[in-house]
Amino acid sequence: QAVVTQEPSVTVSPGGTVTLTCGSSTGAVTSGHYPYWFQQRPGQAPRTLIYDTNKKHSWTPARFSGSLLGGKAALTLSGAQPEDEAEYYCSLSYSGVRVFGGGTKVTVL
Amino acid sequence: EVQLVQSGAEVREPGESLKISCKGSGYSFTNYWIGWVRQMPGKGLEWMGMIYPGDSDTRYSPSFRGQVTISADKSISAAYLQWTSLKASDTAIYYCARQGNYFDSWGQGTLVTVSS
Repeated sequence: QAVVTQEPSVTVSPGGTVTLTCGSSTGAVTSGHYPYWFQQRPGQAPRTLIYDTNKKHSWTPARFSGSLLGGKAALTLSGAQPEDEAEYYCSLSYSGVRVFGGGTKVTVL
Repeated sequence: EVQLVQSGAEVREPGESLKISCKGSGYSFTNYWIGWVRQMPGKGLEWMGMIYPGDSDTRYSPSFRGQVTISADKSISAAYLQWTSLKASDTAIYYCARQGNYFDSWGQGTLVTVSS
């Protein structure tokens, strides 16, 4: 089974910008992997921020954006807020089988 | 309003069986894939598999195939996750989600504790 890799942790200053990445053990991530990004705060269920690389749900704050960058999927947070401190998971699809990355803990400090 | 409501926390001993549920409301349950996701204590998310309630088409992650059974009863808008012989390593929170609409709705999670 493919392995999806993420940075274990990042720190961003309030109002700052940070980019999280999501790689695949099988090679470059493409739109055909239908990348998703999820946010999970402690003690809460996950919620989906980005689907199909760069599409947003109605509740996704405008400061979050998704893209493909250097063979990886990327989630960019522009103008970080204290409430953005959370765990972020990406997920890729391999012929209909979803695989999650290990998650990136984002600290806003 | 779309809602997925999961059954309550369970405590079982190793070797016992268990079936947990996820009931959908506020939408046509048969028309959207329901996915199941595991989160072991202090760990990340793991996709287990999904089911299309309309025809019970089911897909499993290779990591979970043969370990659990995913099923659905469309007459009562419910999806299920079932074990025949639990292990201590099955201790986790299990989430269902409406995968078929871009994971737009999640259940609140069911904590399963397996301990002797």
